[in-house]
Amino acid sequence: ELKVEQNPLFLSMQEGKNYTIYCNYSTTSDRLYWYRQDPGKSLESLFVLLSNGAVKQEGRLMASLDTKARLSTLHITAAVHDLSATYFCAVEPVGDDKIIFGKGTRLHILP
Amino acid sequence: DVKVTQSSRYLVKRTGEKVFLECVQDMDHENMFWYRQDPGLGLRLIYFSYDVKMKEKGDIPEGYSVSREKKERFSLILESASTNQTSMYLCASSPQVAGANNEQFFGPGTRLTVL
Repeated sequence: ELKVEQNPLFLSMQEGKNYTIYCNYSTTSDRLYWYRQDPGKSLESLFVLLSNGAVKQEGRLMASLDTKARLSTLHITAAVHDLSATYFCAVEPVGDDKIIFGKGTRLHILP
Repeated sequence: DVKVTQSSRYLVKRTGEKVFLECVQDMDHENMFWYRQDPGLGLRLIYFSYDVKMKEKGDIPEGYSVSREKKERFSLILESASTNQTSMYLCASSPQVAGANNEQFFGPGTRLTVL
């Protein structure tokens, strides 16, 4: 059974600090997605990573993919309060049109 | 921009009622999905569809059915609503292009409360 594990599941951090969210998965895949969800809202696409070594950056967020290690990271640089949200990674198994979501990392950034 | 809309943002129903949740996408996507989201359980796939009149069970189909009569519309049906179906329901769509990725685009969600 495919597993997508995120850690940590909860993270409270101070503004200005750096931190990394990890997404491990248990099947062959070279496609991984990161989404953001604000409280009471739906999921918004952040990054699409389509190959080993892919790196994408948007503002203070940077995502990378290592398909050999079956690991993606979402790095937050100099966190600001506006980044408080829940972040989901989702893996697309080879040959499948579905994607499998992790349980999400709830990030709370203290001003 | 891809747009996925859902018929209601908030819905309150009584136990035993038949409930219809509608989802419409305007980007000609072949794939459509229904998820429910509950605290601590993440997103769980209920049903999905790869084409008109086609449906596949997801991880938790019990108590639900779906209908896809037109490509742009995917309906989730609760035949007899129960309190344990109180949840946030999310619809998503994705294209089906050979060699392309399957990034899913989500609607705003429907928060359903069953009393």
